[in-house]
Amino acid sequence: EAGVTQFPSHSVIEKGQTVTLRCDPISGHDNLYWYRRVMGKEIKFLLHFVKESKQDESGMPNNRFLAERTGGTYSTLKVQPAELEDSGVYFCASSVSGGILTGELFFGEGSRLTVL
Amino acid sequence: KQEVTQIPAALSVPEGENLVLNCSFTDSAIYNLQWFRQDPGKGLTSLLLIQSSQREQTSGRLNASLDKSSGRSTLYIAASQPGDSATYLCAVTGNTGKLIFGQGTTLQVKP
Repeated sequence: EAGVTQFPSHSVIEKGQTVTLRCDPISGHDNLYWYRRVMGKEIKFLLHFVKESKQDESGMPNNRFLAERTGGTYSTLKVQPAELEDSGVYFCASSVSGGILTGELFFGEGSRLTVL
Repeated sequence: KQEVTQIPAALSVPEGENLVLNCSFTDSAIYNLQWFRQDPGKGLTSLLLIQSSQREQTSGRLNASLDKSSGRSTLYIAASQPGDSATYLCAVTGNTGKLIFGQGTTLQVKP
């Protein structure tokens, strides 16, 4: 069975451009999370979907970030316009209901974003 | 606000040594604590999860302890091997369901 897959693995864009990151969770996982790690900092929570609904988006840094999960399957995270401080690695994770409390949370390999 | 700190930030040891990685957190109101491993360019792999009611968990050469009242956890790695080289991350789950991570300890085990 496929794990959590993220695309692209690495994206290099200029400041002011737009980038869209995609996450395909494990099939049947209702919970989908986005995290990111900027250089020199710890991994931080961005938002949490339950199926297609945003359960918690308290970690989204500003309105340049837009996350969607149409149909409750894959999710996209769009950054528009990108700024230098958006550079980092964006991780997606998925779990079944209650999985985060039992540790059954599965992470993708991350999408590295470099903004020049 | 929950904060998680990991010490040391980096560690280099010869193969065969036993070692301890430390993690501390400021708010003891947690559901659980996890230790993850991250290899370069890869995702996070959960190594051990300790529920708030537990004191320790073991898996092979790994042993993780939790002292919730003092806000501390340790990851003990016995008889380290070069294949253990990776970044080890500690994360707590609070009542919001989010994971709060430390900055990690980068371990290098030399042959």
